[in-house]
Amino acid sequence: DAGITQSPRHKVTETGTPVTLRCHQTENHRYMYWYRQDPGHGLRLIHYSYGVKDTDKGEVSDGYSVSRSKTEDFLLTLESATSSQTSVYFCAISDVNEQFFGPGTRLTVL
Amino acid sequence: GQQLNQSPQSMFIQEGEDVSMNCTSSSIFNTWLWYKQDPGEGPVLLIALYKAGELTSNGRLTAQFGITRKDSFLNISASIPSDVGIYFCAGSKNTDKLIFGTGTRLQVFP
Repeated sequence: DAGITQSPRHKVTETGTPVTLRCHQTENHRYMYWYRQDPGHGLRLIHYSYGVKDTDKGEVSDGYSVSRSKTEDFLLTLESATSSQTSVYFCAISDVNEQFFGPGTRLTVL
Repeated sequence: GQQLNQSPQSMFIQEGEDVSMNCTSSSIFNTWLWYKQDPGEGPVLLIALYKAGELTSNGRLTAQFGITRKDSFLNISASIPSDVGIYFCAGSKNTDKLIFGTGTRLQVFP
């Protein structure tokens, strides 16, 4: 298995609070991604990174920001969480074409 | 955002039966990937395809990269209970982003 961990694995928070999810890899892969998975929508790309300090938006980036200060860590921040951001969040890593996924973080915004 | 059309949406089969599912797109892809997701876990890569017409096997799984480069197929032979899960196709037009299918939910009955 690819060495990808996500923390926390579960989180319950209140509307309006900031939330940061962490993805950590031990594979030294160049690319890192954040997806959200919702019933009826499959996996949707939020943001991705193609190197340290190099990030770009995905299809559902509104309300989210990311940072990558080290190769191994990719942070996803919800500046002010909303109920519509209740979802399961997956981090993925890749070097070329094949992406490998972390175990996911289940986030509930009340 | 774009999603690939995956069919069928769900399948209910008996143990020992063969399974076929497919994924289609209106545009050409350079890479096709197939993933399986178990409940509460992240997607796991099953098979990667890189050339039109390519046929690749992984145990009881066989996948094909369509000649038109707009479709891909996954077959599972002699299904067993642990094949239960959601199967996703994913396509890539370049090296850094994937577009995912809507998923096929497979149930296997003894």
